[in-house]
Amino acid sequence: EVVMTQSPATLSVSPGGRVTLSCRASQSVSNNLAWYQQKPGQAPRLLIYDASTRAADIPARFTGSGSGTEFTLTISSLQSGDFAVYYCQQYDKWPPLTFGGGTKVE
Amino acid sequence: EEQLVESGGGLVQPGRSLRLSCVASGFTFGDFVMHWVRQPPGKGLEWVSGISRSSGSMDYADSVKGRFNISRDNAKKALYLQLSSLRTEDTALYYCVRRVHYRYFDLWGRGAQVTVSS
Repeated sequence: EVVMTQSPATLSVSPGGRVTLSCRASQSVSNNLAWYQQKPGQAPRLLIYDASTRAADIPARFTGSGSGTEFTLTISSLQSGDFAVYYCQQYDKWPPLTFGGGTKVE
Repeated sequence: EEQLVESGGGLVQPGRSLRLSCVASGFTFGDFVMHWVRQPPGKGLEWVSGISRSSGSMDYADSVKGRFNISRDNAKKALYLQLSSLRTEDTALYYCVRRVHYRYFDLWGRGAQVTVSS
């Protein structure tokens, strides 16, 4: 099973700030990685797939990068609606499909 | 509008069974692989199970293998999850999700709450 580790668990940022979230895989997953955003009381929403491709209607301030075992999600200028929990997920080696534990941006 | 709507959740005693349903609309349901993902209260996301387009292949997380059964009815645009021998640790919000080409999840339902408690 591929274990996904996200850091930090919580990130305190001011609006307008730059945010970098990390996700590490226990073995290479190539670029088969997605990022999801989950706001309180809502279902997760796809942000990034294939490590760096923005999903439909996702603003350009969200950027995904990395391959192999190290990945990052960068939010260039945090807006009020971006305060949420962010999860990474690998889909290279499955079953099982595995998620990271999440990073809360507050 | 593409949509997934879950139903069938509730409060159930340990050891009992429950059946979740998910109805799709706004897209060709039979063209997509479908999955269930759950989220325990205050915790992260956990993949539960997935089923191929024609129901020829099903996969399960080790934590639910032998107790849960996934199925689908393409004519009814419906996905199901039969939960049996339920345990308190199965308490979670269960999401129906659409998977793109055996890759990422691009459409999520709002979830169905399952609470296992005596």
